[in-house]
Order: sequence, then C-alpha cells, then structure tokens
Amino acid sequence: AQSVSQHNHHVILSEAASLELGCNYSYGGTVNLFWYVQYPGQHLQLLLKYFSGDPLVKGIKGFEAEFIKSKFSFNLRKPSVQWSDTAEYFCAVNVGGFQKLVFGTGTRLLVSP
Amino acid sequence: DTAVSQTPKYLVTQMGNDKSIKCEQNLGHDTMYWYKQDSKKFLKIMFSYNNKELIINETVPNRFSPKSPDKAHLNLHINSLELGDSAVYFCASSQDLAVQETQYFGPGTRLLVL
Repeated sequence: AQSVSQHNHHVILSEAASLELGCNYSYGGTVNLFWYVQYPGQHLQLLLKYFSGDPLVKGIKGFEAEFIKSKFSFNLRKPSVQWSDTAEYFCAVNVGGFQKLVFGTGTRLLVSP
Repeated sequence: DTAVSQTPKYLVTQMGNDKSIKCEQNLGHDTMYWYKQDSKKFLKIMFSYNNKELIINETVPNRFSPKSPDKAHLNLHINSLELGDSAVYFCASSQDLAVQETQYFGPGTRLLVL
C-alpha cells in the first residue's frame, strides 16, 4: 500500500529563517502530490499541488515544493518564514485513477517572533 | 459563506451512545469525503461519495454509516460509540473524482467519547 512519510515531526524556527519540510512517498507509478496546511483552530487548506510538468511548484504565501521523482520526494520550502506560518503541514499523495488522498503524519512548525 | 460546513463543532458523549455529524458543501461539488484525524494528527480517509453513491469505504467498522441525502450533504452516523472513536472528523469535497481536483475541507468535528 502507498504511504507518505514526513520525518520532521516538530520544527522550531525563528522568523526569517529558511524552511524545508521533507516528504517521501512509496509508490512507483504516477502520483499527484499535495501540501496542505492547518493553522491553529482552522481547517485544512491547500498550499500547492503537483500533477505534471515543471517539478518546481509554487503555491500560496511564498511556499514552493520540488518533485524529485528519483528520490520519491516532494519537499516543501519557504525562503523566509513568518510567525504567521506557525501551523501543522501535511503532505499527501493521490494514486490510481481516482481521488483517494493518503496523508503523511504531519509536521508541526513553530515560528518564534 | 462557508464552503464546507460541519455540525456540531464539538461533541461529547458517553460510550454506547449513537451520534450523527452533518456535513454540507455549497460549492456545487459532486464528491464528498469523511476523514478521521486521531490524537497524533494522522489523517485517514474513511469514506467517499460521488453523486450520492459510495465510492470508497476504507475498512471502517460498520458502526459507522455515512448517508448522502443529496450531493451537497454527507452525514456520518456512528452507533455504539467506543472510546477509540474519539478523534476529529473532517468532511471534504471536490468537484468530482478526477485526481487533479482539489479537496476542500470543513472545520472539523471534535468528538470525545467518555
């Protein structure tokens, strides 16, 4: 069965630091990849998604992610984090011919002012 | 103007009770989902419905019965609640089953079984 691994469970950064959150998936075929964010007390929102084409995907709020097929990875990056980026970040993958998101266990990011 | 709404937001109940959670989306989407998020924040799909028809049932105990009266609503009924059912339940919707469609999530229902 396909799975998604997020190895960083908790990340603490100071404002203006650069961010990279790891995401690896286990599936050899065509995948569709997503990053969702859950701000404190709020629902999940889509940050960005990859289906095909340019492996470097830009999302909202200055986030980007790079799909590296050979490494089965889809890491999330932001050059300079803000306090308002404090949230839980979830990587997810869709495989097969229809919608069935498999989520990673999430990474809790705390940005100190 | 909430796109995907759930009621109630919080639900505290005793073991053995039966309870329902309601979900509505006003996006005109064809497909709706229920997810369970456990205490470790792990999100797992439970069910999906497309145009009121069950598409995915992820080996969820049959105490959980989803019902879709129309494509804008997907309710979740839980019989004989157990302690392990305590979790946050998220409803979501997407335009259709195509893999490129984004899923939009509701605010979640926090269920606590005592």
